[in-house]
Formats: sequence, structure tokens, C-alpha cells
Amino acid sequence: GENVEQHPSTLSVQEGDSAVIKCTYSDSASNYFPWYKQELGKRPQLIIDIRSNVGEKKDQRIAVTLNKTAKHFSLHITETQPEDSAVYFCAAYHQTGANNLFFGTGTRLTVIP
Amino acid sequence: NAGVMQNPRHLVRRRGQEARLRCSPVKGHSHVYWYRQLPEEGLKFMVYLQKENIIDESGMPKERFSAEFPKEGPSILRIQQVVRGDSAAYFCASSPLGQEHGYTFGSGTRLTVV
Repeated sequence: GENVEQHPSTLSVQEGDSAVIKCTYSDSASNYFPWYKQELGKRPQLIIDIRSNVGEKKDQRIAVTLNKTAKHFSLHITETQPEDSAVYFCAAYHQTGANNLFFGTGTRLTVIP
Repeated sequence: NAGVMQNPRHLVRRRGQEARLRCSPVKGHSHVYWYRQLPEEGLKFMVYLQKENIIDESGMPKERFSAEFPKEGPSILRIQQVVRGDSAAYFCASSPLGQEHGYTFGSGTRLTVV
């Protein structure tokens, strides 16, 4: 099955700086890559996603890039704010294989005011 | 439009008892997924169901765990004879047609086995 690795496991940045979280996947057939944000004690929430026919996608301060050849994708958060502090999960999915999302192990982001 | 509803939010069971976790998907969603999250860990896939069918249960422990999604009513994750290692947050997610639309997660059920 698919194997998703995520780095770093923890990340601390000063407010206003950028944060980058990286993931790799193993199955070249994966074609959909969502990112979820989970605040303490709450549900994971979809914040952005990208499909394999797109290299980059932006939504305000959040962007995701995908390199299909290298099988890695990244989340970029610019101008970080304290409310960005949370655990972020990447995931990979492909329609022809197991019909479920495979999640990375998560990155705990702390934005220091 | 209510999101994914899970209940109870918190569940305490003694070792050996049964735990029943309920999940009502977003209205119109026909795909339900259960994930387990241990403290400080990621989301581990357990089972994928459509109405009256188990599509993929490759992440489900072979014993004591079962899941169903009947024609009427919520999806149920059932854990028999619970042990301390079952203590975790169990999240349910739903999607309308499959993964390409992404999941909507419920708020989870936090199971504590004492």
C-alpha cells in the first residue's frame, strides 16, 4: 500500500516567518494530496488540497507544491500567526488502489508570538 | 447542513466491556471511514464502508473490532472486550463520492479504558 512520510515532526517559528512542511509518498499512482489542520482536542480540517495534474496551488497565506517525479509535496505557510499553531497532516490517495487516504504522521507547528 | 456527527464525545469503559461508537455522515454522503488516533500520533485507517457494505477493512484488528453502516441509521464501530490499549480518539469521516472530494471529519470519540 501507500506509505506517506512527513517531516519535520515538530516545527517552531517566530510570528511572521514562513513554515514549510514536507511529505513524500511511495505509490506513483497516487493522484490526490490533501492537507489537514488539527487543533488541540479538535477534528482534522481540510485546509488545502492538490491534484496530480497541478504543480502548485495557493490560498491566501497557504500554498502547496507537488513534484510528481520526485513523489513529494509540501505545505508552505507565509506570515505565520499564533492561530496557525496546530498539528498538520498530509495525505495521499489514488482511486485505483485502496480507497482511503493514507496520512503522514503529522507536524506540530508552534508559532511564537 | 450538519457536518459529521459522532457520539458520544467521550466514553469511559472498564476492561472487558463493550464500546459502541456512532457516526452520522454528512447528509448525502454515502462513504464512511473510521480512523484511530493514539495520543501524539497520526491517523491510522481502520475501515471504509458504504451503505450496507464493508469496502476495505484492512486496517481493522482481526479480533474484537467490527463496523457496520446499515441502510438506515448511523455507522457503528464496535469494540468488544476492550483493553487499555484501545484507549484512543476514534474519528469518523465521510465523503460524497470518494476521495477526490476530500474527507469531512467528525469531532471524534475519545475512548478511555480503565
